[in-house]
Amino acid sequence: GAVVSQHPSWVICKSGTSVKIECRSLDFQATTMFWYRQFPKQSLMLMATSNEGSKATYEQGVEKDKFLINHASLTLSTLTVTSAHPEDSSFYICSPYESFSYNEQFFGPGTRLTVL
Amino acid sequence: AQSVTQLGSHVSVSEGALVLLRCNYSSSVPPYLFWYVQYPNQGLQLLLKYTSAATLVKGINGFEAEFKKSETSFHLTKPSAHMSDAAEYFCAVSGGNNDMRFGAGTRLTVKP
Repeated sequence: GAVVSQHPSWVICKSGTSVKIECRSLDFQATTMFWYRQFPKQSLMLMATSNEGSKATYEQGVEKDKFLINHASLTLSTLTVTSAHPEDSSFYICSPYESFSYNEQFFGPGTRLTVL
Repeated sequence: AQSVTQLGSHVSVSEGALVLLRCNYSSSVPPYLFWYVQYPNQGLQLLLKYTSAATLVKGINGFEAEFKKSETSFHLTKPSAHMSDAAEYFCAVSGGNNDMRFGAGTRLTVKP
């Protein structure tokens, strides 16, 4: 399978600060990037979809001004949680996709965000 | 639009017993179906996937799943549970937009 990295793997921040999460596809070019979040003991919920060089499309209920997504290259996407609050504490998982993967998405190892 | 429903948020089996985790899907297009496993504080690991080839799909760690269109099901099975199988299992469906939708998950507990 493809190699996907996320950085940092975990982060603790104070309420009101911003946190940037990086996702890299190390051995393939991701034309599309999906970002998911997973609250404790819950399933993964799709937050947004971005195509390289385009603005992200957000799922209903996800604030685009709060969760800034940048997909500037085919191997790197970032998710910035702006003015984080305790309710944003979650496990954030990226999933790069390329058209030759036969509809299989690969997943990053996740970033656990804790907002105090 | 696609969705999956996992029946049973928690399944408990004895070591050596059959594992059966249920998943039903809904899709307006021919679906691609997946089972993932997640260990605590880790990312997702693909167990197996159905991509319209053989309806019986064999995956890693002895797991397999059968696609049944008439029942809109894609249940995951393993003949003999091992302690190391204890984890959270997610069924997922992908359709024309290639975005994957996940079920709520089923926590598998294996008793010695």
